[in-house]
Formats: sequence, structure tokens, C-alpha cells
Amino acid sequence: DAGVIQSPRHEVTEMGQEVTLRCKPISGHDYLFWYRQTMMRGLELLIYFNNNVPIDDSGMPEDRFSAKMPNASFSTLKIQPSEPRDSAVYFCASSRDRTRGELFFGEGSRLTVL
Amino acid sequence: AQKITQTQPGMFVQEKEAVTLDCTYDTSDPSYGLFWYKQPSSGEMIFLIYQGSYDQQNATEGRYSLNFQKARKSANLVISASQLGDSAMYFCAMRGSPGGANSKLTFGKGITLSVRP
Repeated sequence: DAGVIQSPRHEVTEMGQEVTLRCKPISGHDYLFWYRQTMMRGLELLIYFNNNVPIDDSGMPEDRFSAKMPNASFSTLKIQPSEPRDSAVYFCASSRDRTRGELFFGEGSRLTVL
Repeated sequence: AQKITQTQPGMFVQEKEAVTLDCTYDTSDPSYGLFWYKQPSSGEMIFLIYQGSYDQQNATEGRYSLNFQKARKSANLVISASQLGDSAMYFCAMRGSPGGANSKLTFGKGITLSVRP
């Protein structure tokens, strides 16, 4: 089975530009999570969805960040406009709605905003 | 609210020896799961082991075992017979019951493990 697929793997952009990160979860998984990892703050949960519905977006830094999940097999995280402090690795992860529920992570999207 | 604490500084272990990575947690959920993930220098997050709060036995997965002490709220990872490939960052994480208020996975800050030849 294919794992969680993220794109792009690397993105370098200039401040003020729009950035869109994409994620395809594992088929059959009900939960999708977006995390951000930086040296200073570690792994932070930005938002998560259950059955395509956003459940908790309290970790989204500000209005410049938005996330959508139009269907069970696709999600996007958008930053507009981007700022240098948004530079980080962004992980998407998915899990099943069951007792154990371990998360399976994509390989991450490394974003650099100049 | 959930909280995971990993306070050890970088850890060093000699190849083939065992090492324990500490993790304490706090939660108000009666039912929860504890996880350990490994992040090598290549960056991917690799699931290692899971312990359910109501599991009677400590979890084991190959060379990994979880020393779960519920009363002390600790979930330490034990790696036996360390290998050079075990050098990585290790994260402890907690999740409440899927579907509940704490369905998200909350991570600790991580511990860096270096295995010496």
C-alpha cells in the first residue's frame, strides 16, 4: 500500500509569495493531520480533519494559513503571503478511527521562505 | 489538555548496549495511547511502538520495549542491543481516544540518541 504522499518535497520561495502544500492520505484513513517542525518549537499540530471536516485548527498560526480537505484523498495547506518565519518542515499524517490510531507520516515538505 | 515531557539531554550509548529514553506525560483522559517515533537524519517520522493505557502488559516490538508505569505517568522506551542505525531523534507522543476531544497526537520535544561504535 502507498503511504502518505506529500508534495512538493522542497520549496524555496520569496517572502510574500503564496505557498501550497499538498497531501494524499492513506486510503481508508479517517483522520488527517498537518504538523510543522522547527528547531525552536519542535513538532506543532496546525490542524486536523476527521472525515474531511476540520476538527481543531487552534494551532494554525494566523490568518495567513489555511487548510482544506475537499475529499477523503486530498488536502492542502496554503500560506498566503509567506514570511521567512514560516520556514519549516511541514508534515502531513493520517490515521484510522480505531482504538490504537497511530499516525503514519509523509516524508514532509521542507519550506524555505527567503 | 495533554502534555508530554522529555527532558533528557542528548544521549550516548555504546553499540550493542541497551539504552532507556525517558518520557512522562499528563492527561485528564481515562483512556489514551502512548507512542514512540524515530526521526533519523533523513527526516522521516517512523512509528516504533504503541502502549494503550489499559494494556496489562508492557508493549514490545523487536528490540524496542516500553516501560509503562501508569501510576507514575511514565512511558520510557528501552532499546536493547543498540545499533549504529539507531542514532536518531526519538519522540514520545500521546493521543486520547480517537473521536474524543484529544484525538490529536501531542509530541514531546524529542531526545537525540547517538550510538557509538
